[in-house]
Amino acid sequence: EAGVAQSPRYKIIEKRQSVAFWCNPISGHATLYWYQQILGQGPKLLIQFQNNGVVDDSQLPKDRFSAERLKGVDSTLKIQPAKLEDSAVYLCASSQPVSRDWTDTQYFGPGTRLTVL
Amino acid sequence: SQQGEEDPQALSIQEGENATMNCSYKTSINNLQWYRQNSGRGLVHLILIRSNEREKHSGRLRVTLDTSKKSSSLLITASRAADTASYFCATDAVWGGGSEKLVFGKGTKLTVNP
Repeated sequence: EAGVAQSPRYKIIEKRQSVAFWCNPISGHATLYWYQQILGQGPKLLIQFQNNGVVDDSQLPKDRFSAERLKGVDSTLKIQPAKLEDSAVYLCASSQPVSRDWTDTQYFGPGTRLTVL
Repeated sequence: SQQGEEDPQALSIQEGENATMNCSYKTSINNLQWYRQNSGRGLVHLILIRSNEREKHSGRLRVTLDTSKKSSSLLITASRAADTASYFCATDAVWGGGSEKLVFGKGTKLTVNP
């Protein structure tokens, strides 16, 4: 079974530039997550999709970050314009809901390491 | 804000020894999960323990949960060099709209020396 795919793996940009990350979840997984992981910290959830709808994006800095999941499969996360503090690894994860009472196991991609200069 | 806090922040042991990592959290949970992250790679799910469970095993892993103390421990027995990684605990939290999200701690960086 193929895992979660992300691209690019690395990206270096200057502040105020724009950048986009792409994620292809595991086939059949309805739920997709984007996390931000700053060096030395654990991942922080930015946005969660259920199929092509946003479940919650309360921790997404909407003045500069946007995300979409067209057709309920692939997803893109965009930052425009980037700031120095956006330097982090951006992880995508997917899961397949089992039941209402079960927190789904999330399967993570390798991440995109973003460096903002 | 992060719900779980792992302790210690870093741990260095010799191959064959056991490694114990602890996680403390603040609010009530439904379950707690442990993930491993190898350098430069994504997170891998290791084990999930539900709030009504006290102990769970998976291969060389043993996880305990004490809901009265709001703490969990991960024990890796007979460690191998390949166990070198960062280990994160993650707790579920109910947020806006009733959906659940995972809240990760800062992790314990484990180094197993050959």
